[in-house]
Amino acid sequence: EVQLVESGGGLVQPGRSLRLSCAASGFTFDDYAMHWVRQAPGKGLEWVLGISWNSGAIGYADSVKGRFTISRDNAKKSLYLQMNSLRPEDTALYYCAKGLSSTYYYYAFDIWGQGTMVTVSS
Amino acid sequence: QSALTQPASVSESPGQSITISCTGSSSDVGGDNYVSWYQQHPGKAPKLMIYDVSKRPSGVSNRFSGSKSANTASLTISGLQAEDEADYYCSSDISSSTGLFGGGTKLTVL
Repeated sequence: EVQLVESGGGLVQPGRSLRLSCAASGFTFDDYAMHWVRQAPGKGLEWVLGISWNSGAIGYADSVKGRFTISRDNAKKSLYLQMNSLRPEDTALYYCAKGLSSTYYYYAFDIWGQGTMVTVSS
Repeated sequence: QSALTQPASVSESPGQSITISCTGSSSDVGGDNYVSWYQQHPGKAPKLMIYDVSKRPSGVSNRFSGSKSANTASLTISGLQAEDEADYYCSSDISSSTGLFGGGTKLTVL
């Protein structure tokens, strides 16, 4: 079964850090770009970051540039999101999503996880 | 990076057709043919319905179709069914460097 499972969310204070993980199964992980998309409570979707199949190219939304880092371990079929200097406006459900292409700059996502919730509050 | 513009809500009766618009600019929607559409039911993850403006992934009903004219993309759902009631989001890219979603449209099947 093709599946993405996120983990690592939780409650964190402003200014602190958190690392999310996404475990992939059921497809050839290292053939595809991967992305993080978030959704604030009651709000719409926001693309956050993307990484190409070999980590050779990475893209960031302006809202997280300099604070968030995306990485992947193809041997472990895993995607990661390192979030530093967290702000209350980063509070959202964070989805891991598989791209249709090997390059991150093709923004069509055909497989989504169920998301992991990140709450930034004191 | 402003979101693409979608109507906040639309409604129609079962069996009818409805079109949801997604308006951007020449830097995003109008810049290439990489518009996608997603369906999201409450409490669920989004589902890809259309990619590359008008292509349907395997398993998506042919009642769903996509098109584009200049800086506006459209999703048309024909033969509306109760299970089509959901939020719909368009997406594109800004000059290939950044992903961008629309604000979302809530579809109500009356």
